[in-house]
Amino acid sequence: DVKVTQSSRYLVKRTGEKVFLECVQDMDHENMFWYRQDPGLGLRLIYFSYDVKMKEKGDIPEGYSVSREKKERFSLILESASTNQTSMYLCASSSNLRRSQETQYFGPGTRLLVL
Amino acid sequence: AQTVTQSQPEMSVQEAETVTLSCTYDTSESDYYLFWYKQPPSRQMILVIRQEAYKQQNATENRFSVNFQKAAKSFSLKISDSQLGDAAMYFCAYRSVNQGGKLIFGQGTELSVKP
Repeated sequence: DVKVTQSSRYLVKRTGEKVFLECVQDMDHENMFWYRQDPGLGLRLIYFSYDVKMKEKGDIPEGYSVSREKKERFSLILESASTNQTSMYLCASSSNLRRSQETQYFGPGTRLLVL
Repeated sequence: AQTVTQSQPEMSVQEAETVTLSCTYDTSESDYYLFWYKQPPSRQMILVIRQEAYKQQNATENRFSVNFQKAAKSFSLKISDSQLGDAAMYFCAYRSVNQGGKLIFGQGTELSVKP
């Protein structure tokens, strides 16, 4: 089974802190994604990556950056956390094989509270 | 830009009954993919069912089936013989053929199952 893990289930940070959210997948997937999930808004894409050291902005990249130094790891960085970044953050990965059948596999999520 | 709309924030069904969750989307593309994802309480998001737009036949996975109406841009999920384990948040999602693995999600529908 594909496994996507996230470094923390719950995180509490102060405004202005630098926050790192880590995601690791064990299936050699090329694609990795970061979403945030808010009630009534569904999931919105922050950043994604098609390969090591490659990244592309999603729909809401402001206030975030990402890093992908190794294929299995995709990090989301909040350079200076703000209260409006309090949310659930979901990581996902997918393979490029058999592209028409591509499925995204999700991690358990990190619930971030910024005080 | 593509959008996905789920107009039912909450739905309820009696155990063993059938329930239909609605989803509409907007796109100018002719080829794309549609998905239903399930997010149980405090558990990871998993894929329930997928539909390729070029296929006229509605997808079916055991008790889950879709009603895909391409002209109406409608993609509803039918759950037959509902079980307590079906209680979850359900998300409808769209993926363009041409934009890699990016998913566009609806707002979600929270389904409760009454014993």
